[in-house]
Amino acid sequence: GDSVTQMEGPVTLSEEAFLTINCTYTATGYPSLFWYVQYPGEGLQLLLKATKADDKGSNKGFEATYRKETTSFHLEKGSVQVSDSAVYFCALSDRNAGKSTFGDGTTLTVKP
Amino acid sequence: DTAVSQTPKYLVTQMGNDKSIKCEQNLGHDTMYWYKQDSKKFLKIMFSYNNKELIINETVPNRFSPKSPDKAHLNLHINSLELGDSAVYFCASSPLAGLANVTQYFGPGTRLLVL
Repeated sequence: GDSVTQMEGPVTLSEEAFLTINCTYTATGYPSLFWYVQYPGEGLQLLLKATKADDKGSNKGFEATYRKETTSFHLEKGSVQVSDSAVYFCALSDRNAGKSTFGDGTTLTVKP
Repeated sequence: DTAVSQTPKYLVTQMGNDKSIKCEQNLGHDTMYWYKQDSKKFLKIMFSYNNKELIINETVPNRFSPKSPDKAHLNLHINSLELGDSAVYFCASSPLAGLANVTQYFGPGTRLLVL
C-alpha cells in the first residue's frame, strides 16, 4: 500500500535559519504530493502541492519539488520565522487508493 | 464564512458515556472524512463518505458510527467511550475522492477528553 515517511521531529531552529524537512513516499500509481501545515490549536491547511514529476510547489516562502527518481518531496524554506512554528505533514493522494495518506508529522519550533 | 465546521470544539466526558460530534461543510464537496489525531500528532483516517455513501472504513472499533444525512454533513457517534478515545478528531472534505490531486479542507478539530 501507499506510505509516506517524514523526517522525525521535533525540529528546533533559530529565526532566519534554513529549513529542510525530508519526505519520501511509496505509491503504486502516480500520486499527487502535498504539504499541509497545522498551527497550534488549529486544523490542517494546505501549504503547497505538486501533481506530477518535476513540478515545484511553493507558498509563503516554502518550496518542495516532486522528485520521482528519488520518490521524495522535501520541504524547504530559506529563512524561517517564529510564525512558522507548527506541525508539518507530508501527504500523497493516489487515485487508485481513493484517499490521501499522511506522514507522521514533523513539529517545527522557531526561536527568536 | 467557515468552510468546514465542527461542534463541539471541546468535549469532556466520563468513561462509558455516548457522545456525538457534528461536522458541516459549505464547499459543495462530495467527499467527507473523519480523522483521529493522537497526543503525538499522528493523524489516522477513520472513515470517508462520498455523496452519503461509506467508501473508506479503516480498522476502527464498531463503537464508532459515522452518519451522513446529506453530502454536506458527516457526524460521528461514539458509544461506550474509553480512555483511549481521548484525542483530537478532525473532519475534512474534498472534491470527488476519485481524483488524484484533490486538496482536503480540514475543520478546526474537536478535542475529546475521556475521564
